[in-house]
Amino acid sequence: AQSVAQPEDQVNVAEGNPLTVKCTYSVSGNPYLFWYVQYPNRGLQFLLKYITGDNLVKGSYGFEAEFNKSQTSFHLKKPSALVSDSALYFCAVRDFNSGYALNFGKGTSLLVTP
Amino acid sequence: KAGVTQTPRYLIKTRGQQVTLSCSPISGHRSVSWYQQTPGQGLQFLFEYFSETQRNKGNFPGRFSGRQFSNSRSEMNVSTLELGDSALYLCASSLTSAETQYFGPGTRLLVL
Repeated sequence: AQSVAQPEDQVNVAEGNPLTVKCTYSVSGNPYLFWYVQYPNRGLQFLLKYITGDNLVKGSYGFEAEFNKSQTSFHLKKPSALVSDSALYFCAVRDFNSGYALNFGKGTSLLVTP
Repeated sequence: KAGVTQTPRYLIKTRGQQVTLSCSPISGHRSVSWYQQTPGQGLQFLFEYFSETQRNKGNFPGRFSGRQFSNSRSEMNVSTLELGDSALYLCASSLTSAETQYFGPGTRLLVL
């Protein structure tokens, strides 16, 4: 089955510092990978996706992600964190065994402190 | 464009009752998917509809069902509610099944 893992339950970073939220994947074939963010009492907001092409993907709100095939990773990054980036971040992979359903990681809570 | 809308936003039911949740996709989107989010199990895929047909179903009991109408709006129904059905139910729409899914704000269901 296609799956992703987010090894960190929580990431703490100071405002202005770079942030990284980690994601590794396990898939057969080429992975379709996504990052979503969830603010309290809200749904998921799409940040970015990797289908094919450049390994560095740029997305919304200054976020980017680097696809690394040899390390089977798709880490989310931002050069300078904002307090407003504090939220729950989900990595997801498209599971072609279930049509086009998304398989999500457990989520990583990002806390950016002033 | 308006985003995905879900109604109601909050719902309280008792065990044994049934519930119907509604989802209106982004205009022009024909695929609607449903997910359940709980603290213990995380985000789990329920089912996906495209052009009024269920294309895929996740690993949930038959108490969970859904449908899609000709205007792409979708409903999901849970019968004989159990305490464990308490969750945030998220609807996502996409242009087609293969396109990026955009999520609504969710319906928070509490079963007492």
